[in-house]
Amino acid sequence: LAKTTQPISMDSYEGQEVNITCSHNNIATNDYITWYQQFPSQGPRFIIQGYKTKVTNEVASLFIPADRKSSTLSLPRVSLSDTAVYYCLVGSTDSWGKLQFGAGTQVVVTP
Amino acid sequence: EAQVTQNPRYLITVTGKKLTVTCSQNMNHEYMSWYRQDPGLGLRQIYYSMNVEVTDKGDVPEGYKVSRKEKRNFPLILESPSPNQTSLYFCASSFWGAGETQYFGPGTRLLVL
Repeated sequence: LAKTTQPISMDSYEGQEVNITCSHNNIATNDYITWYQQFPSQGPRFIIQGYKTKVTNEVASLFIPADRKSSTLSLPRVSLSDTAVYYCLVGSTDSWGKLQFGAGTQVVVTP
Repeated sequence: EAQVTQNPRYLITVTGKKLTVTCSQNMNHEYMSWYRQDPGLGLRQIYYSMNVEVTDKGDVPEGYKVSRKEKRNFPLILESPSPNQTSLYFCASSFWGAGETQYFGPGTRLLVL
């Protein structure tokens, strides 16, 4: 399983763009990169998943450079409701059933 | 509505009294998994199941049992709970495995006295 490293916390103001970078130096060829969001006392919620280059959905964008050793989750124009912990995970069919969450990044959005 | 359900949502029990936390999904997922979340330790995987009758240990399986007799259900069993199993528990499922998008249940908060 590829180990991931993220900043522990990030602060932002409403309306700004938040970029969270995750390092995964040991990513394997078959690995996908997945980001989850978790609010206090709730289960993590899928945000976005990608393999390479850029993926965008209605919530976020995921940028993955060519070497895939890192990835950046971009949250455009955040609001107070985006205050949460964000987890970056790396996994594939080669991971079989094991899944390891890192410490995540606590994002705090203030008015 | 596609979902993962857990019961009970809250439970207070005493040391040594066997308990079961149920998990059910209605998405016909092959893969199911249990996690516990503790302050400062994040989410840690307890057990997972790749398919019916196929289960395996995660990172913290001690003190827990699971069974997968039907595709939709994956109960977590604490045969003799201890205070160090006080935690927030999450069940999750996905189509085929850990690398696939995981759908999490609402959580079960357990207090063992």
